[in-house]
Amino acid sequence: DIQMTQSPSSLSVSVGDRVTITCRASQSITDYSNWYQHKPGRAPKLLIRAANVLANGVPSRFSGSGSGTEFTLTIDSVQLEDFATYYCQQTYSIPITFGQGTRLEIK
Amino acid sequence: EVQLVESGGGLILPGESLRLSCTASGFTFNKNAMSWVRRAPGKGLEWVSLISGGDTTYYEDSVKGRFTISRDNSKSTLYLQMNTLRVEDTAVYYCARVSTHGRDGYNDYWGQGVLVSVSS
Repeated sequence: DIQMTQSPSSLSVSVGDRVTITCRASQSITDYSNWYQHKPGRAPKLLIRAANVLANGVPSRFSGSGSGTEFTLTIDSVQLEDFATYYCQQTYSIPITFGQGTRLEIK
Repeated sequence: EVQLVESGGGLILPGESLRLSCTASGFTFNKNAMSWVRRAPGKGLEWVSLISGGDTTYYEDSVKGRFTISRDNSKSTLYLQMNTLRVEDTAVYYCARVSTHGRDGYNDYWGQGVLVSVSS
């Protein structure tokens, strides 16, 4: 199974800060990496697919990069509505796996 | 508008069975693979199962032999039959549509989730 190791597990930031979350795959997954945002009681939301493609309707302050084994999600100028938990996911092989999540909190 | 609505959750004893349903609307159901993903209390998202448009099925190891994913395209409904439930299966279960762009797959729409609580 491919392990997705996400860091940090939590992050305390202020509105307007720039945030970077990292995900490392245990083997190369080329660009088959996606990022999701999840708020309590809500459906998870796709942010980035194929490592760097912004999903429909997602604000441009979100961006993704990376390939192979290292991937990053960046939020430029965090807004109040961005405080949530973020997950990376690999769809390179079955079983599909997620990172353990990064909880973004207000400082 | 794409909508996915789960149902069938509840409180159940260990060893018993439960069937979850996910009713889809707003897209041609038989053209997409579908997944179940769960989130246990205090834990992260965990992929559970996937069914292709052609009914090929895949499972996470801990549910193999206990859970069965299926679909009824005439009803635009996805199912998860869960047998021999364990306390560790307690989670909110989400159904999610799978879309592809080339070989790249991703879950572009998700339901709100349904709670399954396994406890004695």
